[in-house]
Amino acid sequence: GAVVSQHPSWVICKSGTSVKIECRSLDFQATTMFWYRQFPKQSLMLMATSNEGSKATYEQGVEKDKFLINHASLTLSTLTVTSAHPEDSSFYICSARDIRDTDTEAFFGQGTRLTVV
Amino acid sequence: AQKITQTQPGMFVQEKEAVTLDCTYDTSDPSYGLFWYKQPSSGEMIFLIYQGSYDQQNATEGRYSLNFQKARKSANLVISASQLGDSAMYFCAMREGRYGGSQGNLIFGKGTKLSVKP
Repeated sequence: GAVVSQHPSWVICKSGTSVKIECRSLDFQATTMFWYRQFPKQSLMLMATSNEGSKATYEQGVEKDKFLINHASLTLSTLTVTSAHPEDSSFYICSARDIRDTDTEAFFGQGTRLTVV
Repeated sequence: AQKITQTQPGMFVQEKEAVTLDCTYDTSDPSYGLFWYKQPSSGEMIFLIYQGSYDQQNATEGRYSLNFQKARKSANLVISASQLGDSAMYFCAMREGRYGGSQGNLIFGKGTKLSVKP
């Protein structure tokens, strides 16, 4: 199957700093990327959907100024957690698909475990 | 109302036996897809099996099969001949078609933690 690479796999940062997470599709063009957040022992919740070259669409309750998403190319999307606080500590995982091929599923990155201290 | 319901927070199964993980869904869209993912403690989401709403036959992938009962809106995962490595969280998910084409995001259930006993 297609490969989606997400980096870093884990990060610890100080409260008030910003953290950037990258999501790359390695062997297909990801017209659409999705960012999910998963708190411990909970399910994955969609944070935002980004289409290449346009602004991301955020789910209700997700602060767009805090979680900056950039999808500037067909193979790369980034999520930047700005002014991180301990409550932002979570598992963040991206998935990507080529919307032009309706038969494809969305492929997931490996996830990023963020700890804010 | 929840779109995806997994009623079993945890399940135990003896090694080499079969186990069924329940999933029911709710959608008014005639076009949708149902997925099962395995999430080990490392966190990665491992795709297991997919069933399209128009598929006539139940999906199978190796030891995994999906018992798709459209009228009941259920999509249970059956794992045959359980192995110790099957111990993980299992998530059922749905992708709904939307007018003009699907964006493709998945809606997840709360998951079932499967423990395989030796």
